[in-house]
Amino acid sequence: NAGVTQTPKFRILKIGQSMTLQCTQDMNHNYMYWYRQDPGMGLKLIYYSVGAGITDKGEVPNGYNVSRSTTEDFPLRLELAAPSQTSVYFCASSARQTNTEAFFGQGTRLTVV
Amino acid sequence: GENVEQHPSTLSVQEGDSAVIKCTYSDSASNYFPWYKQELGKGPQLIIDIRSNVGEKKDQRIAVTLNKTAKHFSLHITETQPEDSAVYFCAASNSGYSTLTFGKGTMLLVSP
Repeated sequence: NAGVTQTPKFRILKIGQSMTLQCTQDMNHNYMYWYRQDPGMGLKLIYYSVGAGITDKGEVPNGYNVSRSTTEDFPLRLELAAPSQTSVYFCASSARQTNTEAFFGQGTRLTVV
Repeated sequence: GENVEQHPSTLSVQEGDSAVIKCTYSDSASNYFPWYKQELGKGPQLIIDIRSNVGEKKDQRIAVTLNKTAKHFSLHITETQPEDSAVYFCAASNSGYSTLTFGKGTMLLVSP
């Protein structure tokens, strides 16, 4: 079983460039999330979705956008990359609410120079 | 919103010793408390969770305790092994909301 798949695994962007981090899950989960992980800071929620067509902001949404056109896919868009967006990004999904197990992807390490 | 504090930030033990990681939370309405383990270069993975209707849960060498009055919960790992070395995150959520709040993590190092 693939679970949650993120692409790419690594990326270097120049300041001002844009890119999309891809996330797909094959578990038919309704809930999907994007987190960023900075050293010593834990996991901060960027955006989440409770189902296709529904998205909402998390704790640190500035500089990012998301869409959820299907149950399986939840891409994260960076429009104007900034050095502050250098981080490791994790996508996750869960079946119903967050009081059930969340399954994480392997992460995307992004560096903005 | 919820705030989760986790201590210590790093923990070094000898193989076979026990390890304890502690977390406190601020929202008395929180009722779900999972623990995740993150190995180097991988995403976090759930290792154990507890809901507010129980005070303790055990799974082999891992146990979690919850004190709702004091708003703290702890992860206990007994007979530690080198493969337990990883970063451990606690988290809390309220079923009335849609998101988990994570602690900042504890790096556990188990020396042979």
